[in-house]
Amino acid sequence: DVKVTQSSRYLVKRTGEKVFLECVQDMDHENMFWYRQDPGLGLRLIYFSYDVKMKEKGDIPEGYSVSREKKERFSLILESASTNQTSMYLCASSLVGPQETQYFGPGTRLLVL
Amino acid sequence: AQSVTQLGSHVSVSEGALVLLRCNYSSSVPPYLFWYVQYPNQGLQLLLKYTSAATLVKGINGFEAEFKKSETSFHLTKPSAHMSDAAEYFCAVRARGGADGLTFGKGTHLIIQP
Repeated sequence: DVKVTQSSRYLVKRTGEKVFLECVQDMDHENMFWYRQDPGLGLRLIYFSYDVKMKEKGDIPEGYSVSREKKERFSLILESASTNQTSMYLCASSLVGPQETQYFGPGTRLLVL
Repeated sequence: AQSVTQLGSHVSVSEGALVLLRCNYSSSVPPYLFWYVQYPNQGLQLLLKYTSAATLVKGINGFEAEFKKSETSFHLTKPSAHMSDAAEYFCAVRARGGADGLTFGKGTHLIIQP
């Protein structure tokens, strides 16, 4: 079974802090994704990566950056957390190809005070 | 740009009744279509996907969906609802030849009445 793990289930941070969310997959998938989930808005793509050290902006990249130094690991970074970044963050991975299934981690619920 | 519309943010059905969750997409070329389910405090799990092999797609847990190009729809159905089906359901689309992420609908919360 594909397994996508996220470093924390719940995080509480203060405004202005730098926040790191880590995601690891164990199926040698090339593609990795970060989404943000908010009630009534569904999931929105923040960033994705199709190879090590490669990254592409999604629909809502402002205030975020990412890092992919190893194939299995994809990190989301909030350079200076703000209250409007309070949300559920979901990581996913997949093989190459638009028809391929994306496999999701359990999510990290981030609260910024 | 493509988009997905899920009609009804909340759908309530009785246990044993038909489940129908609606999804319409907007795309000039039929895309790949996905239905995901999210149980409380969990990530998303794939129910089924349409990749053009067959218009009627069967998924896990007794769910199925039919791709109708003329109606630009991909509605999710289950003949008989079970209490364990209570969850959030998301329809998602990805363009053929697309190299980015999925575009999701806003989700439908399915409530099962005993």
